[in-house]
Amino acid sequence: AQKITQTQPGMFVQEKEAVTLDCTYDTSDPSYGLFWYKQPSSGEMIFLIYQGSYDQQNATEGRYSLNFQKARKSANLVISASQLGDSAMYFCAMRVTENTGNQFYFGTGTSLTVIP
Amino acid sequence: GAGVSQSPSNKVTEKGKDVELRCDPISGHTALYWYRQSLGQGLEFLIYFQGNSAPDKSGLPSDRFSAERTGGSVSTLTIQRTQQEDSAVYLCASSHGDRFRNMNTEAFFGQGTRLTVV
Repeated sequence: AQKITQTQPGMFVQEKEAVTLDCTYDTSDPSYGLFWYKQPSSGEMIFLIYQGSYDQQNATEGRYSLNFQKARKSANLVISASQLGDSAMYFCAMRVTENTGNQFYFGTGTSLTVIP
Repeated sequence: GAGVSQSPSNKVTEKGKDVELRCDPISGHTALYWYRQSLGQGLEFLIYFQGNSAPDKSGLPSDRFSAERTGGSVSTLTIQRTQQEDSAVYLCASSHGDRFRNMNTEAFFGQGTRLTVV
């Protein structure tokens, strides 16, 4: 069974500090992709970062990096130098290949609040 | 437009009425998803369409919910005899769905339909 787990319903971080949002996944498929999305209070879903299962290096996009630990099946999002605008819901997602195509599975999300 | 389009953006309906929510995916995307999101909550999977395959309906909460995808493009989510607990934002997403291709491309979301049942 495919599964994505985000165990932190809510997180707080001081402005300018770094924060790690946890994500673990479960799949028997050797080929998969891991994604993080940000959903601010406006409601739009913003794609942040991608990590492929065969990628040797951790993905980085500006202040976002993905701490990919394949053996542990974890794909934590690290946000460095937090800004007030980072306050939002964050969703981890996994894409796997199935018989009929490939499908996304989303976690339940983590609400991040950046404190001035 | 080039993005996922949902209509209406807002819908207020009386309890017991039927509603239809529409999703226009990105052209060429074979996979289409419907999610429900209550205020401040996470995404609740409803249904997944992939090309011409039978849809994965495992997330539909009751038989009052149904969805169609005509011609592999536009999808309609129908809620019959709406209840107050159906009030939520309904999000549609689409993505490339082909096996082993475009694995690194993300799913694209519409802006959602905010449904309020009074």
